[in-house]
Amino acid sequence: EADIYQTPRYLVIGTGKKITLECSQTMGHDKMYWYQQDPGMELHLIHYSYGVNSTEKGDLSSESTVSRIRTEHFPLTLESARPSHTSQYLCASSVTEYSYNEQFFGPGTRLTVL
Amino acid sequence: LAKTTQPISMDSYEGQEVNITCSHNNIATNDYITWYQQFPSQGPRFIIQGYKTKVTNEVASLFIPADRKSSTLSLPRVSLSDTAVYYCLVGELDTGRRALTFGSGTRLQVQP
Repeated sequence: EADIYQTPRYLVIGTGKKITLECSQTMGHDKMYWYQQDPGMELHLIHYSYGVNSTEKGDLSSESTVSRIRTEHFPLTLESARPSHTSQYLCASSVTEYSYNEQFFGPGTRLTVL
Repeated sequence: LAKTTQPISMDSYEGQEVNITCSHNNIATNDYITWYQQFPSQGPRFIIQGYKTKVTNEVASLFIPADRKSSTLSLPRVSLSDTAVYYCLVGELDTGRRALTFGSGTRLQVQP
């Protein structure tokens, strides 16, 4: 069972509010990821980190920002939420060993911006 | 990163074997092939990974021909609970500053 947690699971918030989506993993993985997915649609990578103090933007442009101050923690922040940010946000971490790589996903945060 | 092509959807019945094929014509020498499963409102879950020939685990088998330009995920005797989206990913294991792309996936519907 993967030990990766996301809070909150559901969030309904008004336009203009600042929000932070939390993601934590207890597996000691160096690499962590944020994906955005609308219902029934593709997963889009929006941010990833390959270690403490390193972050990169993903394939899909996002107005969100991330930080990686501790190995286990990879929060995502939206400074001013808008209805276009309504989506599901999935956090993942990965381990790479010889001939093997697997991403572990959290349960997701479903964000609704009114 | 190698581009992958999968069928958009497939239908099957309980107890049947399901084979989902993924095309990756420009796969590179160092690329591995990985399959994930995703249920509605959940994150994807790792199923199987391979480099060449055949890989089998308790859940599925992965067949990779010698030219590695395609791969087939085989699910033996599917049940209703196998209804999900299945993603084929191709890329190096240690992607360093890059990350794998999930694509659209194949939506498998298992009927009773």
